[in-house]
Amino acid sequence: AQSVAQPEDQVNVAEGNPLTVKCTYSVSGNPYLFWYVQYPNRGLQFLLKYITGDNLVKGSYGFEAEFNKSQTSFHLKKPSALVSDSALYFCAVRAPNAGNNRKLIWGLGTSLAVNP
Amino acid sequence: EAGVAQSPRYKIIEKRQSVAFWCNPISGHATLYWYQQILGQGPKLLIQFQNNGVVDDSQLPKDRFSAERLKGVDSTLKIQPAKLEDSAVYLCASSTVGVGDTQYFGPGTRLTVL
Repeated sequence: AQSVAQPEDQVNVAEGNPLTVKCTYSVSGNPYLFWYVQYPNRGLQFLLKYITGDNLVKGSYGFEAEFNKSQTSFHLKKPSALVSDSALYFCAVRAPNAGNNRKLIWGLGTSLAVNP
Repeated sequence: EAGVAQSPRYKIIEKRQSVAFWCNPISGHATLYWYQQILGQGPKLLIQFQNNGVVDDSQLPKDRFSAERLKGVDSTLKIQPAKLEDSAVYLCASSTVGVGDTQYFGPGTRLTVL
């Protein structure tokens, strides 16, 4: 069965320090992987995705993620955290070759707190 | 480019009442999704439309939830009658049809059932 795990409910980091939000997945075939961010009382905002090609993907607001097939991971990273990065982050995966069904499998989310 | 529009943003109803949510997707997006997000959880897909046809409604509680996308553009999600456990944020998203297409989300409707 397809699944996504975000092993940390909460990540705390000091402003200016690098941050990592972890995501591992289980899906047959080569996955499509996504990161979204959710601010309080807002919808989900797309950050970045991996479809194919370079394993290092760059996205919005200085975020990047590295696809690691052997470890089935897609960790989200940022070199220098900002207080404004504090939000809820979701990892999602979609199996390829699913035809018209574009259903995403979602992790439970990781709450990121960046302390000034 | 305008994003996904949803209304209302907030709704409070009594249990056993009915409620409807509206969504207008990004122009040109053939695929539209309705999700339910309960506090502290990830989104749960309720229904996916491609144009005006249903692709996946396997997790839609069909005894009380219904959705339509009659002209292949905007969509309505209805709950009748509502239960306490329906309290959640209802998110609408849309995407194009293509390899690795991205789902773009609206601001959501926060429903409270008392």
